[in-house]
Amino acid sequence: DQQVKQNSPSLSVQEGRISILNCDYTNSMFDYFLWYKKYPAEGPTFLISISSIKDKNEDGRFTVFLNKSAKHLSLHIVPSQPGDSAVYFCAAKGWGGGSQGNLIFGKGTKLSVKP
Amino acid sequence: SQTIHQWPATLVQPVGSPLSLECTVEGTSNPNLYWYRQAAGRGLQLLFYSVGIGQISSEVPQNLSASRPQDRQFILSSKKLLLSDSGFYLCAWSVPQGFYGYTFGSGTRLTVV
Repeated sequence: DQQVKQNSPSLSVQEGRISILNCDYTNSMFDYFLWYKKYPAEGPTFLISISSIKDKNEDGRFTVFLNKSAKHLSLHIVPSQPGDSAVYFCAAKGWGGGSQGNLIFGKGTKLSVKP
Repeated sequence: SQTIHQWPATLVQPVGSPLSLECTVEGTSNPNLYWYRQAAGRGLQLLFYSVGIGQISSEVPQNLSASRPQDRQFILSSKKLLLSDSGFYLCAWSVPQGFYGYTFGSGTRLTVV
């Protein structure tokens, strides 16, 4: 049972436009959400995060929005650049310790930004 | 500063052969350690995590095992590899208290032939 879902396996965007990557989750006990960026043959790198008590977090060109009632979050990249082309993973952390506190990842969305 | 090392970067092993992947973390004490696998067409699946020496928790039943012989060393092993063990294996660490996300190693591409 997938608790974190990224329903779009790929997304293609023109350079300079906005990229919107979506993520849905099922567990209402998640209290922290993160986005990671991954290039081929490399480990994922942290991009941006948001606590469940907030609905928006912004860092430069990257903004994450959280809609708790819909159990949905999205990552906006504005403007998109060719160097943003990578696989983006959405991850969620449950409240509490032990296995509940581990990160659960979605399947990823491959973003291609065309010049 | 903290760094995480993972090796080898790539590995091609025949079916039935043993496996040992190693991960070490520098610059921190008592980290939480994790092994993830990214299989083709799938996301990042948590295989094992450890909160201390000798403490291993398995998230999914499988052909693999993990060990933590030292505070900052995490090893992923198999006695006999299967074709389905092919994938991209990632080690990660996090601080033991609070939450500041995970830091991943550079990964090992394992191909079982």
